[in-house]
Amino acid sequence: SQTIHQWPATLVQPVGSPLSLECTVEGTSNPNLYWYRQAAGRGLQLLFYSVGIGQISSEVPQNLSASRPQDRQFILSSKKLLLSDSGFYLCAWSAGTGAHPHFGDGTRLSIL
Amino acid sequence: TQLLEQSPQFLSIQEGENLTVYCNSSSVFSSLQWYRQEPGEGPVLLVTVVTGGEVKKLKRLTFQFGDARKDSSLHITAAQPGDTGLYLCAGGDSNYQLIWGAGTKLIIKP
Repeated sequence: SQTIHQWPATLVQPVGSPLSLECTVEGTSNPNLYWYRQAAGRGLQLLFYSVGIGQISSEVPQNLSASRPQDRQFILSSKKLLLSDSGFYLCAWSAGTGAHPHFGDGTRLSIL
Repeated sequence: TQLLEQSPQFLSIQEGENLTVYCNSSSVFSSLQWYRQEPGEGPVLLVTVVTGGEVKKLKRLTFQFGDARKDSSLHITAAQPGDTGLYLCAGGDSNYQLIWGAGTKLIIKP
């Protein structure tokens, strides 16, 4: 069966520090991969999605970036975090375009 | 820009009561999904509806897709504390991207 791992579960970072969140998927090949951000108790905002290695589409202009160095690895990064980057970050995978996403357990990011 | 509006934003009721959550749009969607999310976890898919007028049942939960595929509802019968969570709807657009509602936070009090 397919599983998705996302870490860390929680992270507290100072303003201006770098960020690296990692997500890996097991049990499937060539998945679509997604990074979402969720404000407290609210809906999801799609940040990035990828349909293949090295292929990244950005939905929202920001100081975040994403990379897909391997088929089942998706990384969310920032060179300098802002206070507004605080939130709940969710990684997800789907079997292809049109298939529903399966989510990881998320990373709670707090910027101080 | 396609938007999905969920109502109510927040609902707190007693165990055993019935409730309905709505997801509305002025746009047509190819499909509509309902998710439930618990604190500190990712959303989990409950159901996908794809046909106008479609009704699906999942135990005490009944999901309906509007005839015009612009709206959907989730009805819970005899709510239980285990139903507590954030309920999210998401519509599939013509490019197979998901448009997300802001969610309904549901609390069922024992």
